[in-house]
Amino acid sequence: GAVVSQHPSRVICKSGTSVKIECRSLDFQATTMFWYRQFPKKSLMLMATSNEGSKATYEQGVEKDKFLINHASLTLSTLTVTSAHPEDSSFYICSAWGQGSETQYFGPGTRLLVL
Amino acid sequence: SQKIEQNSEALNIQEGKTATLTCNYTNYSPAYLQWYRQDPGRGPVFLLLIRENEKEKRKERLKVTFDTTLKQSLFHITASQPADSATYLCALQRGSQGNLIFGKGTKLSVKP
Repeated sequence: GAVVSQHPSRVICKSGTSVKIECRSLDFQATTMFWYRQFPKKSLMLMATSNEGSKATYEQGVEKDKFLINHASLTLSTLTVTSAHPEDSSFYICSAWGQGSETQYFGPGTRLLVL
Repeated sequence: SQKIEQNSEALNIQEGKTATLTCNYTNYSPAYLQWYRQDPGRGPVFLLLIRENEKEKRKERLKVTFDTTLKQSLFHITASQPADSATYLCALQRGSQGNLIFGKGTKLSVKP
């Protein structure tokens, strides 16, 4: 099956700094990737849809200037949390459609803790 | 807007029994309904997909049913094992390669 990786798996940062999370499709090309956020005991909430070579589409309530998404190649999308605050602490997960697949393949997630 | 309810936040069963998890939705019937497994601190792993014109789907010890009249999907794990302990997520998808909308999940614990 298709494999999606994320880096880093965990990150701790100080309030006010920026953090970049990478999402890679390892054995397939992904024109579209998705970024989700999951708080403890809550469902995955879609933040944005990342499209290769064009601007990301953000869900209602998600600040595009705070969560910068770049999808520069068919195998890499990055999410940058700018000026992070403690309330941004969460589990961030990316996913991608496998080529010709009916299902999304998810990365292992990145745990962000902002102190 | 579409709302998804996975009725039980937690389900505890004995090893060897069948676990049945419920997923209800309130609005339009999705083209696809999917079930994922999520272990603590990990991303979801795809298990089964069922289409709106399918009543039932099976894969090894897993079975999914889809009733568009009741707006409900049931997910069964037969002969459950402690290794099946995880959170199971239901997700609705409106069309081909459309966005997924997730339920909160049901945390299944299988006791030896």
